[in-house]
Amino acid sequence: GAVVSQHPSWVICKSGTSVKIECRSLDFQATTMFWYRQFPKQSLMLMATSNEGSKATYEQGVEKDKFLINHASLTLSTLTVTSAHPEDSSFYICSAQSGGSNTGELFFGEGSRLTVL
Amino acid sequence: AQSVTQLGSHVSVSEGALVLLRCNYSSSVPPYLFWYVQYPNQGLQLLLKYTTGATLVKGINGFEAEFKKSETSFHLTKPSAHMSDAAEYFCAVSGGYQKVTFGIGTKLQVIP
Repeated sequence: GAVVSQHPSWVICKSGTSVKIECRSLDFQATTMFWYRQFPKQSLMLMATSNEGSKATYEQGVEKDKFLINHASLTLSTLTVTSAHPEDSSFYICSAQSGGSNTGELFFGEGSRLTVL
Repeated sequence: AQSVTQLGSHVSVSEGALVLLRCNYSSSVPPYLFWYVQYPNQGLQLLLKYTTGATLVKGINGFEAEFKKSETSFHLTKPSAHMSDAAEYFCAVSGGYQKVTFGIGTKLQVIP
């Protein structure tokens, strides 16, 4: 099956620093990748949709200057949390859709737990 | 437009008992339906999906779900719960080349 790898799994950083999270599709080309944020005991909140080679589309209420998304290739998307603050602490999950699929099926990364001190 | 309703944010069953997690959806186009499972501090794993064809879909770990168009439902079942089934389960709907919409999730607790 299709595999999506997310790195790092855990990251702790100081307030004011920036953190980059990578999402890679290992065995398929992901034309579209999605970034989610998940608060404790809550569902997934879609943050943005990224298509290879174009600017990401952000959901309402998500600060695009705070959460920088780059989808430079068909196998890699990155999320950079800039000037992180404690309220940015959360579980971030990426997912990818294969270009060959029309069902919308998503393949998820393992998630990245961000803790901002 | 599409939406998903999962009835019951928490479900508890005894080990060996039937598992039933409810999901109702709305979609303006023929839906594709999914169930995902999430273990603590992990991403989501696909349990099963309905795209077209047979309405009773079998997935991994003994789970199955039935697409009922007349009831706009896609309930997830497993005949006999195992301790390892304790996790959070998400129902999702897609209209194809559209965003996937998730339900709020149902946390399954299995009591020994």
